[in-house]
Formats: sequence, C-alpha cells, structure tokens
Amino acid sequence: QSILTQPPSVSAAPGQKVTISCAGSSSNIGSSYVSWYQQLPGAAPKLLIYDNNKRPSGIPDRFSGSKSGTSATLGITGLQTGDEADFYCGTWDSTLNTVVFGGGTKLTVL
Amino acid sequence: QVQLVQSGAEVKKPGASVRVSCKTSTDRFTNYYIHWVRQAPGQGLEWMAINNPFGGVTNYAQEFQGRVSMTRDTSTSTVHMELGSLRFEDTAVYYCASSPFSGYDTYFDIWGQGTPVTVSS
Repeated sequence: QSILTQPPSVSAAPGQKVTISCAGSSSNIGSSYVSWYQQLPGAAPKLLIYDNNKRPSGIPDRFSGSKSGTSATLGITGLQTGDEADFYCGTWDSTLNTVVFGGGTKLTVL
Repeated sequence: QVQLVQSGAEVKKPGASVRVSCKTSTDRFTNYYIHWVRQAPGQGLEWMAINNPFGGVTNYAQEFQGRVSMTRDTSTSTVHMELGSLRFEDTAVYYCASSPFSGYDTYFDIWGQGTPVTVSS
C-alpha cells in the first residue's frame, strides 16, 4: 500500500484534457516538492515535472503540475495516443526519511 | 547526453546475493546523488536507498536495512548496489536514478535502463 494515493486509472479521448491526483500528508507533500514521472510500457520512468510545477527541457507544455496543501495534480492537455502510460507522483517524506511514490495511474487515451 | 548504464539481467536462488551496477559520467558521479528504486512485476515504484556523493554516506529504506549496501568505484564512476538474503518477492526490475538534490527537493532527473533480477529456485 503506497504512502501517496493516486487513482488507479484515468481515461479520455484524443485531444481532451485529463488530470491525475496525488494525495499525501503534512510529512510528505505538505512539506516537500512533488515530482511526476511517465513510464511507457516496457521502459524506465521519465521525469515530467519537478519542484511541483517545473518542466525539464524537452517536456512539452501540454504537461503541467500543481500543488495545494497535501495534494498535487498532474494535468495533460491535447491528449495523444502516445501519452498512454503509467504516471507516478513522488516526494520526500520527512517522517520516514525516504522518498515515497504514489501507486501509479494508468492513462488510457480512448 | 548523460546516461546511467546498468549491468545486465540476473537470476539468483533464494538466500543468495545480487550486485547491480550503475555507471555514469564523472561529473554526475561526483555531483549527483544516486538512488536505487525497484519495481516488482505489475507493481509500482519502491525507493530503496540513496548514496551521497559528498562524503559517500548511504541511507537505506528501513525495510531493506541489513540486506542492502551501496559502494562507489571512483575509478570507473560506478555505483554498485548489493542486495542479500534474496527472497522470491525480491523479483523486480531494479533502477538506478540520479538526483541533483536530496531531502525535500529530491527528484530523479535521469534513470538507468533497469536491471531485471529474478529470484527462482
């Protein structure tokens, strides 16, 4: 059972927008930066968002991140079939002194 | 382009140990934290350990305490992770990943390609 809670799956049509939530607590999301990772089938995870809302070079602005209190959200606009993947949120937990991840959300582009 | 290159797949028996290697550039080896994250089949990501390049201190997740160790080879810019007393449930893909910071600003900017480890009798 993951420390951070994500919905198991989300789906939307091509061109539409989807959001993925990540719920935590004051010891993790509430006091640390959140990052998001995309894992395409059979591949290693890839950094999408760091420091709550920053995009690494090369990540399109269709991907966005936000944080409020003890929850974070990943937004994806203009959905493409190539976006189908598992998405994970991650952050530092100051009580456990470990990095913690959400259980992952599978995105299906219908 | 900076990469983390991991060693190849391993098959081990229960009770044995496995060593997985992660090679990177000299700059990244010297200035970035190296973590190990694993992913069991069909499951999510699980953080295992961090190696601090500034003094070489290593911290481990509590569930792996006493079973995991990390070492650094400066001559080859390689970090090694050894997991002992293997159990069937240690079957997973093991990733190394780097982060420019630690603590509350930890994020993994580059990941290795993953090393499948199978524990089978």
